[in-house]
Amino acid sequence: QVQLQESGPGLVKPSQTLSVTCAISGDSVSSNSAAWNWIRQSPSRGLEWLGRTYYRSKWNNDYAASVRSRISINPDTSKNQFSLQLNSVTPEDTAVYYCVGRDGGILLAIWGQGTTVTVSS
Amino acid sequence: QSVVTQPPSASGTPGQRVTISCSGGSSNIGRNSVNWYQQLPGTAPKLLIYSNNQRPSGVPDRFSGSKSGTSASLAIGGLQSEDEADYYCAAWDDSLYGYVFGTGTKVTVL
Repeated sequence: QVQLQESGPGLVKPSQTLSVTCAISGDSVSSNSAAWNWIRQSPSRGLEWLGRTYYRSKWNNDYAASVRSRISINPDTSKNQFSLQLNSVTPEDTAVYYCVGRDGGILLAIWGQGTTVTVSS
Repeated sequence: QSVVTQPPSASGTPGQRVTISCSGGSSNIGRNSVNWYQQLPGTAPKLLIYSNNQRPSGVPDRFSGSKSGTSASLAIGGLQSEDEADYYCAAWDDSLYGYVFGTGTKVTVL
């Protein structure tokens, strides 16, 4: 049974970098048939896919156009986890951040419990 | 502004059948399969339907999904009080090259 667990700072100041990590159990971040996603949810923006990382002979990333200039998603194979970094945050980035992965062949199936990040001075 | 739209609310009495629509476009629902998620208050979304009409293990068979053209639907047959939640559709968008989510529908059991 795949399980995902996010960890994050809770509070980030405007213009700083938001960093959230997702620990994976029951699957491998390096699997060549998996993709590991970050999705956020806020009252103003609803559910918003931010991007993903996946391994297909080499590491690949896809990012949403809305955050492409300031996002980075990176795997950590030594800890079987992946992380989200979002630069130059504003209060608009206040949201619950979820990491989402597969369940066997079903994509976007397993969600972490979410971590709330508030951008405020 | 979301490219995939859902009605903001739906309701029914216990035992009734409720249907939720999800309207997209040729680059998302028109070309790719649809997932549906149920979100209970204060919890993460939970996968309810994948590949348009497939139920993951453990999901009651009163939940069913369908797709036609650029639209999809989720039906809840035999509505129960525990079905009161927010429901979202999602699909990959070939033009945006990313997943898009519907605007969400809040289901109320009267």
